[in-house]
Amino acid sequence: GAGVSQSPSNKVTEKGKDVELRCDPISGHTALYWYRQRLGQGLEFLIYFQGNSAPDKSGLPSDRFSAERTGESVSTLTIQRTQQEDSAVYLCASSLEGSRGTQYFGPGTRLLVL
Amino acid sequence: AQSVAQPEDQVNVAEGNPLTVKCTYSVSGNPYLFWYVQYPNRGLQFLLKYITGDNLVKGSYGFEAEFNKSQTSFHLKKPSALVSDSALYFCAVRDRRGGYQKVTFGTGTKLQVIP
Repeated sequence: GAGVSQSPSNKVTEKGKDVELRCDPISGHTALYWYRQRLGQGLEFLIYFQGNSAPDKSGLPSDRFSAERTGESVSTLTIQRTQQEDSAVYLCASSLEGSRGTQYFGPGTRLLVL
Repeated sequence: AQSVAQPEDQVNVAEGNPLTVKCTYSVSGNPYLFWYVQYPNRGLQFLLKYITGDNLVKGSYGFEAEFNKSQTSFHLKKPSALVSDSALYFCAVRDRRGGYQKVTFGTGTKLQVIP
């Protein structure tokens, strides 16, 4: 079946512009995660959704970052007024069993802020 | 606070030799433990997980991991390495308590299998 998909796969933007990243989880997966992975680094947790609510937003690095999820499906991560340090790969994962379950990752969106 | 340590940034092993990628964890209660692999320019793929029961867990691509509670370790192993196993490996832990519990990932270990 279809896995987690993310779009765009690559995004180049200018400093100060807003960007929107999209994640389509596996159908029926109620849990959804966003992570950031800087070049050569590990995973940095950003936010966790259970259904449409986000019980854990503790990883969002600043108020320039926000995320929403609608219909227990698609999620968007928005970065306002992008900075060069926002350049990274943004990974989305979904899980069937909430935070207990195996996470299935999308291919990521590679963001470059010039 | 829970944590995961992957003490080796990189592991080099010759093709055909056994490989081990180390992981130790710290969690308040009992753990769920996971291994994921990331091939270049790809997302992470699930390899295996320990929930409960048998301490030796077998996963995809011939990998296995042994849960050792006394040493709080969950090392990833494979009897005979392939060049195609070269990738970045992540260990992750979650407290087994109910409700929402954060999943913490290690910093990753790069495995290089030398032909």
